[in-house]
Amino acid sequence: GNSVTQMEGPVTLSEEAFLTINCTYTATGYPSLFWYVQYPGEGLQLLLKATKADDKGSNKGFEATYRKETTSFHLEKGSVQVSDSAVYFCALSSPDTGRRALTFGSGTRLQVQP
Amino acid sequence: GAGVSQSPSNKVTEKGKDVELRCDPISGHTALYWYRQSLGQGLEFLIYFQGNSAPDKSGLPSDRFSAERTGGSVSTLTIQRTQQEDSAVYLCASSLDDLSDEKLFFGSGTQLSVL
Repeated sequence: GNSVTQMEGPVTLSEEAFLTINCTYTATGYPSLFWYVQYPGEGLQLLLKATKADDKGSNKGFEATYRKETTSFHLEKGSVQVSDSAVYFCALSSPDTGRRALTFGSGTRLQVQP
Repeated sequence: GAGVSQSPSNKVTEKGKDVELRCDPISGHTALYWYRQSLGQGLEFLIYFQGNSAPDKSGLPSDRFSAERTGGSVSTLTIQRTQQEDSAVYLCASSLDDLSDEKLFFGSGTQLSVL
């Protein structure tokens, strides 16, 4: 079945540091890949997505590239801010298998210190 | 409303009692999902509704869990004879269910505590 594995947190960085949060997946067919973010006290919201191999999703300075050869979708940001402190979830969907619901990873908490 | 609304935001119940959790999706969204987020765990898929199709119940952990969606809008998740391991945040999400745009909009969740 489908699964998503993320690096465990918390990840603690200083402001303006470079961020990488690793995500690898197992899926049948050709999944779409997503990063969702959950800010403190808020619901999850879509951060970025990529729907096919070598696509790069980007938003708010965050980027992730769909790597089929390594089954990865690592999240990166060149310079984090305190306001980026949140929990980040990697997810996939495989509509071609008939399963429309997203499969999520366990989440990675990011703490950015001033 | 503008977003997905869930109620109650918090629910404390005694072991063995039944609970009902409610979700109001965004107007016009044909797809509705329930997930469970346990402490330190990822989001666990529970059930998915899409239009008038039969729901995908493959994620429901036991027959104590059931859900319905009336009129293609509001959904209720019912947990019968609650157990302590049912304690979690129950999240509802909705989407247009368009293959070209698989964006889910989440509610803020219901924190369920079973004593």
